[in-house]
Amino acid sequence: EVQLWESGGGLVQPGGSLRLSCTASGFTFSTYAMTWVRQAPGKGLYWVSVITDSGGSTYYADSVMGRFTISRDNSKNTLYLQMNSLRAEDTAVYYCAKDRPYSFDSWGQGVLVTVSS
Amino acid sequence: QSALTQPRSVSGSPGQSVTISCTGTSSDVGGYNYVSWYQQHPGKAPKLMIYDVTKRPSGVPDRFSGSKSGNTASLTISGLQAEDEADYYCCSYAGRYTWVFGGGTKVTVL
Repeated sequence: EVQLWESGGGLVQPGGSLRLSCTASGFTFSTYAMTWVRQAPGKGLYWVSVITDSGGSTYYADSVMGRFTISRDNSKNTLYLQMNSLRAEDTAVYYCAKDRPYSFDSWGQGVLVTVSS
Repeated sequence: QSALTQPRSVSGSPGQSVTISCTGTSSDVGGYNYVSWYQQHPGKAPKLMIYDVTKRPSGVPDRFSGSKSGNTASLTISGLQAEDEADYYCCSYAGRYTWVFGGGTKVTVL
């Protein structure tokens, strides 16, 4: 059974940084691209970033480019999202998801990030 | 990267069919056969219901079906059941390894 578990969320001040982690099990992590999707309170889903299976290529939504960095450690079956220069509008539940590809067939339970002073 | 357009809500009685539309552009929905649909119950993670426009993952009931015409994709739920009440989101590949979601549709079972 595929399992994804996010951690690292919390309250951070505007301009601050936070690193999210997503630990995977139940599949061969190193052979799948992985994605981060977020959902602001009471709002819809928003695609944030994707990383290829090897970690060699990364892609971002315009709103987070230059501030967020996606990475992975295939030896630890773990996906990361380093978030810098955080803004109030980054407040959301962040989900990691396994790529099918071109769709997202398994999701974590999500982790809440709150950016507020 | 503008969001895809979905109706805010649709409703139907048990046993009826409902269809949710998802309108994009030739740069996303119309340009690729990579539309997917997700079901989300309150407080829960999204669940993949349809991928590659028409395909159902193992375990998803066959009363869920997907289609696409031009820049508009659709999700149809036939034989509506109480447990289908949830939010539904469409998503399309938009090229250059980017994806775009719709704003979401709340399905209410009357």
